[in-house]
Amino acid sequence: DAGITQSPRHKVTETGTPVTLRCHQTENHRYMYWYRQDPGHGLRLIHYSYGVKDTDKGEVSDGYSVSRSKTEDFLLTLESATSSQTSVYFCAIVGQGPYNEQFFGPGTRLTVL
Amino acid sequence: AQSVAQPEDQVNVAEGNPLTVKCTYSVSGNPYLFWYVQYPNRGLQFLLKYITGDNLVKGSYGFEAEFNKSQTSFHLKKPSALVSDSALYFCAVPDNYGQNFVFGPGTRLSVLP
Repeated sequence: DAGITQSPRHKVTETGTPVTLRCHQTENHRYMYWYRQDPGHGLRLIHYSYGVKDTDKGEVSDGYSVSRSKTEDFLLTLESATSSQTSVYFCAIVGQGPYNEQFFGPGTRLTVL
Repeated sequence: AQSVAQPEDQVNVAEGNPLTVKCTYSVSGNPYLFWYVQYPNRGLQFLLKYITGDNLVKGSYGFEAEFNKSQTSFHLKKPSALVSDSALYFCAVPDNYGQNFVFGPGTRLSVLP
């Protein structure tokens, strides 16, 4: 498996609280991604990064922010969690160059009460 | 915009029988197509991809996929299904820039003993 981990693996929080999810890779890949997975929607891209301090929005970025201060770490923050953000969050990396496959982390299950 | 469709939410097949999981695509330019599998409580794993060349692509775990340009399809196949193949399968296509991916909604495969 590609060296990609996520923490925490499970989290329960309350509406209105801030939450930060961490993705860590040991592959030194430039591109990193955050997705959410919900029944019936497949995977939807939240944000992605194409280098240190270089990030961009995806399809469902509202309510989320990201940061990448080091190549190996990509943080996803929910500034004020809402129940609609209850989901499973996946981080992914991809090798340099177009049309390479992505490698996914194990996921974080987030429940917002 | 690039897109993929998976017309079946669920596919049931008996162990030992051949299986097919369907995917159709809509892309501008040359199609680059991917299949991923997700086992319970795990991240997605890459199975195979079509970039160019032979229309029959072989991948991991005995899976293969047939690219059909006239039908704009990229169906996933396996000659003899195993119970352990039971999982969620996603078809995906890169976006116009080649580094982000668009995923289908997923097809749940159940292989019955």
